[in-house]
Amino acid sequence: EVQLLESGGGLVQPGGSLRLSCAASGFIFSNYAMSWVRQAPGKGLDWVSGISGNGDSTYYADSVKGRFTISRDNSKNILYLQMDSLRAEDTAVYYCAKSLGLNLRFNYWGQGTLVTVPS
Amino acid sequence: QSALTQPASVSGSPGQSITISCTGTSSDVGGYNYVSWYQQHPGKVPKLMIYDVNNRPSGVSNRFSGSKSGNTASLTISGLQAEDEADYYCSSYTYSTVVFGGGTKLTVL
Repeated sequence: EVQLLESGGGLVQPGGSLRLSCAASGFIFSNYAMSWVRQAPGKGLDWVSGISGNGDSTYYADSVKGRFTISRDNSKNILYLQMDSLRAEDTAVYYCAKSLGLNLRFNYWGQGTLVTVPS
Repeated sequence: QSALTQPASVSGSPGQSITISCTGTSSDVGGYNYVSWYQQHPGKVPKLMIYDVNNRPSGVSNRFSGSKSGNTASLTISGLQAEDEADYYCSSYTYSTVVFGGGTKLTVL
């Protein structure tokens, strides 16, 4: 059974940093691209960042480019999101999501972790 | 990339069919056969319902179908059921980027 478990969310002041983790199990982690997708309270889905299975290629939404860094440790089956220079508009539930195949469509999602940056 | 355009809400009665549209541009929806649809019930995690325009993951009811014409993709739900009441999001994607629609709230009357 595929499981994705996020952790690391919390309250952080504007300009601060936070690192999210996503522990994966139930599939061969290194075979699949992974992404972070966020959802602000009462709002829609917003793709944040993606990473290839071997970690060599990373992709970012324009809104977080230069501030967030995605990485993965395939020996530990963990996905990370380092978030720096946080802003109020980054407040959201952050989901870890597994890709179905090569392209970025997501067949498994974690339960999410809430990041709050007060204005 | 700009968000894809979806109607804010649609509604239908049990047993009816409804269609949700998703409009993009030739750079996203119109440029690739890479459109997916997600269902999200309140307080729940999104669920993939359709991928690559018209493919259903295993376990998804065949009442759900997808199509595309030009820059507009569509999700059709036939034989509407109470449990279909949820938010629906389209997305257009490649291997390196994803753009979502703003979401459509489906109400089953």
